Amino acid sequence: EAGVTQFPSHSVIEKGQTVTLRCDPISGHDNLYWYRRVMGKEIKFLLHFVKESKQDESGMPNNRFLAERTGGTYSTLKVQPAELEDSGVYFCASSPLGGGGGGNTIYFGEGSWLTVV
Amino acid sequence: GESVGLHLPTLSVQEGDNSIINCAYSNSASDYFIWYKQESGKGPQFIIDIRSNMDKRQGQRVTVLLNKTVKHLSLQIAATQPGDSAVYFCASRAGGSYIPTFGRGTSLIVHP
Repeated sequence: EAGVTQFPSHSVIEKGQTVTLRCDPISGHDNLYWYRRVMGKEIKFLLHFVKESKQDESGMPNNRFLAERTGGTYSTLKVQPAELEDSGVYFCASSPLGGGGGGNTIYFGEGSWLTVV
Repeated sequence: GESVGLHLPTLSVQEGDNSIINCAYSNSASDYFIWYKQESGKGPQFIIDIRSNMDKRQGQRVTVLLNKTVKHLSLQIAATQPGDSAVYFCASRAGGSYIPTFGRGTSLIVHP
């Protein structure tokens, strides 16, 4: 079974440009999450989809970040325009429904490593 | 303001020794806890979890201990191997929530 896949794995862009990150969750997983880790710091929650609906986007830093999950399958996270502080690794994760409250493993992708110069 | 240039807590051990990685959490409503391992260039991988109605859970070479009184969690790795070198994150979830909250992570370095 394929795991969570993310594309691109690495991206270097200039300040002011746009980048779109893609995540394909594990097939059948209705929960999809985006997290970000800035160098040396904790993994911070960005947002959570249940199918195509945004369940919680309290972690999105500002309106330069836009996440979508059309059709409840793959998701994209667009940063426009990118700033230097957006550099970091963006993780996508997925889990099946029914596990809220404990006992449900969240599976992470390998991350999209973004560098803004 | 936010600090910059912080280093991850680091634990250095010799191969074969036992490792103990500690984590503190702050939310009293947390009732589910997970340890993840992140190897260089990869995403976090699930290691072991524990619910708040338990205080100890064992896996293969790993044990998680939970002390709810002081809101403390630890991960014990027996007979640490070079392949265990990674950053270890604890995460917690409050009842009814799907969203784990992560700590900063501890870098484990295993010397052969």
